[in-house]
Amino acid sequence: GAVVSQHPSWVICKSGTSVKIECRSLDFQATTMFWYRQFPKQSLMLMATSNEGSKATYEQGVEKDKFLINHASLTLSTLTVTSAHPEDSSFYICSASGRTDNEQFFGPGTRLTVL
Amino acid sequence: DAKTTQPPSMDCAEGRAANLPCNHSTISGNEYVYWYRQIHSQGPQYIIHGLKNNETNEMASLIITEDRKSSTLILPHATLRDTAVYYCIVTGPNFGNEKLTFGTGTRLTIIP
Repeated sequence: GAVVSQHPSWVICKSGTSVKIECRSLDFQATTMFWYRQFPKQSLMLMATSNEGSKATYEQGVEKDKFLINHASLTLSTLTVTSAHPEDSSFYICSASGRTDNEQFFGPGTRLTVL
Repeated sequence: DAKTTQPPSMDCAEGRAANLPCNHSTISGNEYVYWYRQIHSQGPQYIIHGLKNNETNEMASLIITEDRKSSTLILPHATLRDTAVYYCIVTGPNFGNEKLTFGTGTRLTIIP
């Protein structure tokens, strides 16, 4: 199947700093990418939908000014957590589609810890 | 998307078949059933999907009832590496562009 990568796989930062997480489709062009957040022992919760060349669509309750999403190319979407706080500590996962209409591929996830 | 209901946890002996049920009584005629699993601290991994007919691939089999209100994922010979949380998801035909709703899933533990 197609490969989606995320970088970094884990990051630790101080409260108040910003962190950028990259999601790349390695062998296909991803017209749509999704960003999820997963807290310990909970399920994945969709944060936003990102389409190449247009603004992301955020789910209710997700602050778009805090979680900046950029999908500037067909192989890269970035999620920037601005002014991170300890409550933003979570496992962030992206998924990508575009190879066919009925496939969606997930990245390995990025674990963010805010001290 | 239709809501799904799964048991929170199950155990299965290594080498035996693991049968994971999923209820999706409000599924619509054009909605598919997808199964993913998530091993600890990794991204979800696709297993199998189906519409009406039973499906089988190298990983698992999917049995969908005739009324499509429930389904069962079967791992024929479970190994310790199959220990994971298994998610049953119902979604429209344009799966690649659909927002997915992950329920709580079933935590499957394979016992040596």
